[in-house]
Amino acid sequence: GQSLEQPSEVTAVEGAIVQINCTYQTSGFYGLSWYQQHDGGAPTFLSYNALDGLEETGRFSSFLSRSDSYGYLLLQELQMKDSASYFCAVKGNTPLVFGKGTRLSVIA
Amino acid sequence: DAGVIQSPRHEVTEMGQEVTLRCKPISGHDYLFWYRQTMMRGLELLIYFNNNVPIDDSGMPEDRFSAKMPNASFSTLKIQPSEPRDSAVYFCASSPVDPNEQYFGPGTRLTVT
Repeated sequence: GQSLEQPSEVTAVEGAIVQINCTYQTSGFYGLSWYQQHDGGAPTFLSYNALDGLEETGRFSSFLSRSDSYGYLLLQELQMKDSASYFCAVKGNTPLVFGKGTRLSVIA
Repeated sequence: DAGVIQSPRHEVTEMGQEVTLRCKPISGHDYLFWYRQTMMRGLELLIYFNNNVPIDDSGMPEDRFSAKMPNASFSTLKIQPSEPRDSAVYFCASSPVDPNEQYFGPGTRLTVT
């Protein structure tokens, strides 16, 4: 089977940097994705890592270590609009299995 | 592109009634996914299609749930009969060749009383 672990809640200050970790167990691994979901909204795709290392997209970066079954999402220069839930998702033998999500609260 | 379109956006029905949720994927996308999201269980994959063919329906909770994709631009998820525990937000998503980057519709919030 497949399972993912990520913190349920994180609070950070506007302008700061926050890291959201994700560990996974899966049979057959192809990659780790990250999605953002605002309250009442739909998940939106942020990034995908198939290989070890860091992928950067603007203020957001995502990291993967396949040997450690671990990844993280790094958000820099936090803005109030970044307050949302963030989901890691692993592609194994099924298209995507989602973690339970991390609720990020950005405070002034 | 208009994105993934779902209807209705909200549905309130009584236990025992039939519910049909509809989805129009993004044109040209090969994959279509149906998800259910609740606070307790998170985001669960129910079923997915590739080129209109159901590939994996192991996430469909019971025989009360069925899904079809008669053509590349339309899919339905049907619950018959509905039960209160089916109350959730149901999302449809589509993706091009790579199913890692999925585009979600706005969701249908279903309430079964």
